[in-house]
Amino acid sequence: EVQLVESGGGLIQPGGSLRLSCAASGFTVSSNYMSWVRQAPGKGLEWVSVIYSGGSTYYADSVKGRFTISRDNSKNTLYLQMNSLRAEDTAVYYCAREAGRSGWYWGWFDPWGQGTLVTVSS
Amino acid sequence: EIVLTQSPGTLSLSPGERATLSCRASQSVSSSYLAWYQQKPGQAPRLLIYGASSRATGIPDRFSGSGSGTDFTLTISRLEPEDFAVYYCQQGNTFGQGTKLEIK
Repeated sequence: EVQLVESGGGLIQPGGSLRLSCAASGFTVSSNYMSWVRQAPGKGLEWVSVIYSGGSTYYADSVKGRFTISRDNSKNTLYLQMNSLRAEDTAVYYCAREAGRSGWYWGWFDPWGQGTLVTVSS
Repeated sequence: EIVLTQSPGTLSLSPGERATLSCRASQSVSSSYLAWYQQKPGQAPRLLIYGASSRATGIPDRFSGSGSGTDFTLTISRLEPEDFAVYYCQQGNTFGQGTKLEIK
């Protein structure tokens, strides 16, 4: 079964750091395009970052320079290192596999993990 | 950057009725890369439709997608109680703001 399980969320003070993990099963993370998508409380979905199978990484402007996406092929796990956290980073963070990509044309996200809540507050 | 605008913001219908949800793009997009998701409270989004009109695995055939260019539609032919949720369209790294489908 194809599955994603996130962990690492919690309560963190502004300016702090947190690392999220996303363990995959049923497929190989390094062979896929993997993204992080977040959802602030009561709000819609916001794409955060992607890592390509070739290793290239891209970020939303709102997190560029503060967040780093990476993966550990031996653990088949995706990560999101979040530094200099702000109150506006408070959200449920989902990891998701992208399918259907064709060149520069993005595909769709399937499956999604269950999400992990990050709360940035003093 | 493409902006996706969904309408209506909230749709109030009864079980058994037909639901029509709209997603309008700020510029023409390839229908091959337009997707729809369903999200229930406390759950992750679930892929319903990809390529504008292809149902994802396990999605009932009461869900259908259509459209091209800048205008796309998600139709639920006969609403079941479990269909009341929030629906999002997506193209590229952009999501619409969502349509909440609530029980009337």
